[in-house]
Amino acid sequence: QKEVEQNSGPLSVPEGAIASLNCTYSDRGSQSFFWYRQYSGKSPELIMSIYSNGDKEDGRFTAQLNKASQYVSLLIRDSQPSDSATYLCAVNRLRDMRFGAGTRLTVKP
Amino acid sequence: DGGITQSPKYLFRKEGQNVTLSCEQNLNHDAMYWYRQDPGQGLRLIYYSQIVNDFQKGDIAEGYSVSREKKESFPLTVTSAQKNPTAFYLCASSVGTGGQYGYTFGSGTRLTVV
Repeated sequence: QKEVEQNSGPLSVPEGAIASLNCTYSDRGSQSFFWYRQYSGKSPELIMSIYSNGDKEDGRFTAQLNKASQYVSLLIRDSQPSDSATYLCAVNRLRDMRFGAGTRLTVKP
Repeated sequence: DGGITQSPKYLFRKEGQNVTLSCEQNLNHDAMYWYRQDPGQGLRLIYYSQIVNDFQKGDIAEGYSVSREKKESFPLTVTSAQKNPTAFYLCASSVGTGGQYGYTFGSGTRLTVV
């Protein structure tokens, strides 16, 4: 079992729709959870962090965490073509961070 | 502006050659990391350092070496022992250790074997 698992996609949604990205992790001791956005050929950019169970909203982005189910998700409301990218889920360990392989999202105009 | 600078952006290596990738940060972050990214794969940890003059192997350290002589700098050498070095290399740093507040990434170095 991979430490952080994501659906590789690709996920395609029409402009204005809600995109839902999911992630599961294996280390129950993890305390910090992150979503990074990576455009093609570029480095990852931190867009959301979440540390406690529940929802955290920032603009069009909502991160959801359920530690009992070891599940993290990212919702993107009113998706725009500029949201087309690969989204990486990351989970911290004691001394470093583990990344999922990423979900590629395409938002069609 | 604070950030992480990686250089060069593109690097070409001949067979049997050692090459060094530069990573410099002015964020005053304690910890620094090197990751490798292959197409369609997640980031894999090569080496990390939580303090000057100390560093630890990650999951795929074979064929790589690092140094941490200054807090700001964490260069990565890809040696001839690394048989498949073509990849996108990312340097990151974090406040404290363990990345509990997230990483800041450099812009990356794309290494190609010719």
